[in-house]
Amino acid sequence: GQQLNQSPQSMFIQEGEDVSMNCTSSSIFNTWLWYKQDPGEGPVLLIALYKAGELTSNGRLTAQFGITRKDSFLNISASIPSDVGIYFCAGQPGGTSYDKVIFGPGTSLSVIP
Amino acid sequence: GAVVSQHPSWVICKSGTSVKIECRSLDFQATTMFWYRQFPKQSLMLMATSNEGSKATYEQGVEKDKFLINHASLTLSTLTVTSAHPEDSSFYICSARIGLADLRAQFFGPGTRLTVL
Repeated sequence: GQQLNQSPQSMFIQEGEDVSMNCTSSSIFNTWLWYKQDPGEGPVLLIALYKAGELTSNGRLTAQFGITRKDSFLNISASIPSDVGIYFCAGQPGGTSYDKVIFGPGTSLSVIP
Repeated sequence: GAVVSQHPSWVICKSGTSVKIECRSLDFQATTMFWYRQFPKQSLMLMATSNEGSKATYEQGVEKDKFLINHASLTLSTLTVTSAHPEDSSFYICSARIGLADLRAQFFGPGTRLTVL
């Protein structure tokens, strides 16, 4: 079945540094989503991408939908302690119904003050 | 913004008992609700999709007789874990979507931590 891979699996960075993480798939996706999950909470949507090549920003976050439709990246600029959490990419695979959204394994981000 | 609540937030039960988890969309009507399971340090795995008034659609490998889903109204869905066993211990997260196509209109609950002794 469709699978998403995320890298890196975890990162430890200094406050103020920029962060980059990405998500890849072996198959085409129609939609890419980036979520953040804090411990013991449900995920919260950060950015949604709908078109190949689309580049979207949300404050210090920027995400892009890869041209091949098989990848996406998320950048966080000038990290702050509250950026700590797990970042999941998620997507709607091509050829599936609107109901189907699958999640990647996540990237755990730690920010050292 | 749209809020999804879950109750209880955590529950501990004995092996063999059944546990019911409620998911409510507080300020909107949800066309579809989803139930996910998340094991520690792992991703969210979709268990089932339910629409109000109809039977839930379960993902491959999810036992429908063990994980009973009732979608009684456009604002309430319940997941009952029947005859729970320790391997059912997990973080269960529901999600509610407004409409069909806009994935930005899908909101997640805070999750329910189930521990089966």
